[in-house]
Amino acid sequence: DAGVIQSPRHEVTEMGQEVTLRCKPISGHDYLFWYRQTMMRGLELLIYFNNNVPIDDSGMPEDRFSAKMPNASFSTLKIQPSEPRDSAVYFCASSPGNSNTEAFFGQGTRLTVV
Amino acid sequence: KQEVTQIPAALSVPEGENLVLNCSFTDSAIYNLQWFRQDPGKGLTSLLLIQSSQREQTSGRLNASLDKSSGRSTLYIAASQPGDSATYLCAVRPGPSGGSYIPTFGRGTSLIVHP
Repeated sequence: DAGVIQSPRHEVTEMGQEVTLRCKPISGHDYLFWYRQTMMRGLELLIYFNNNVPIDDSGMPEDRFSAKMPNASFSTLKIQPSEPRDSAVYFCASSPGNSNTEAFFGQGTRLTVV
Repeated sequence: KQEVTQIPAALSVPEGENLVLNCSFTDSAIYNLQWFRQDPGKGLTSLLLIQSSQREQTSGRLNASLDKSSGRSTLYIAASQPGDSATYLCAVRPGPSGGSYIPTFGRGTSLIVHP
């Protein structure tokens, strides 16, 4: 397996534009996580899915953020409209189970909103 | 609310030294603790996972210990090498009473091993 695949690797967009980040988890993993990493706040969990169902989205900063997982092999994180303070590295991770299992991270998407 | 602190924030050592990185957490009701490595511009790579019932885990030159009652974990790196240069993060997953799976990450220790 190629691991968790995220696209794009880098995204530069203007304030107010819609941004869509994509993630393909490792095949067979039941859990998918979206994280955001900034210098100020470190690594924060935004939302996670179990079997394509959103379980906890309490980390999503505001309504401008939304995440979907239409099937077991694909998830999106959308920001609409984007703002400069959304600039960060966004990571997707997956794990085979909830308990006592490791999480595998993608390479991340570096988002810059100007 | 669980808080995870990593000390030191940054560390620069000569090659060959044995290192200890520290991770402390405020709520001892944890399910497991995981150490990650992050290289610049890259994602996180899992190094070691310690279950709450375990005291330590070893992988090659790495050894992680867990003292749940005191809220501490240490990552020991033996005979450090320049290739060990990276940021090391620990993440704590809450126990059954903690609700859903929401791991809390420390801010990391940035390690530089110079030749």
